Amino acid sequence: AQSVTQLDSHVSVSEGTPVLLRCNYSSSYSPSLFWYVQHPNKGLQLLLKYTSAATLVKGINGFEAEFKKSETSFHLTKPSAHMSDAAEYFCVVTRGNAGGTSYGKLTFGQGTILTVHP
Amino acid sequence: KAGVTQTPRYLIKTRGQQVTLSCSPISGHRSVSWYQQTPGQGLQFLFEYFSETQRNKGNFPGRFSGRQFSNSRSEMNVSTLELGDSALYLCASSWGRDRGKDEQFFGPGTRLTVL
Repeated sequence: AQSVTQLDSHVSVSEGTPVLLRCNYSSSYSPSLFWYVQHPNKGLQLLLKYTSAATLVKGINGFEAEFKKSETSFHLTKPSAHMSDAAEYFCVVTRGNAGGTSYGKLTFGQGTILTVHP
Repeated sequence: KAGVTQTPRYLIKTRGQQVTLSCSPISGHRSVSWYQQTPGQGLQFLFEYFSETQRNKGNFPGRFSGRQFSNSRSEMNVSTLELGDSALYLCASSWGRDRGKDEQFFGPGTRLTVL
């Protein structure tokens, strides 16, 4: 079984300041982990993914995340927030190895709404 | 490369009716997954199809069903609609096999309103 907990439902930052969105996961298997972003009335866009290669993963728009197995965490960071980053962010886990009954099933966290103030 | 497309984008139905939603995956992708997004329950997995076979299923009642065609396009059907079925239905496609290629790409969604 697998699950995801996003530790903050809302995060508010000022433009130009760092962003930290926290995510803890639980998985019985070696997981694949993702961060997706959803802008209002839009579909989900993949920001970055971890699939057992480098533990520090770089994504689009200056975002990065670090996989820490000992802490079962996959926090999302960005050095400097931009107004266009305001959106809802989802941490996602799936069973990483091919095959198995959970393949193709993404398990989502509850989401973190990021607000960016000018 | 065209992205995932979903039709229709918006639907309004009444209780008891049925509805069919369509999803066209990215060219070459063989896996299509469906998700329901609501304010209360968040994003929940409905089912996944790979090469025309349902490979995985979430915890939804039998009123929710789907299928996949030989060109990988997928449809989902909801029968006997209830008010609680009002949601954004998202479709996602992926290669469907091998770690490293398991990220899913989402369509814009179909907004279903049940009156």
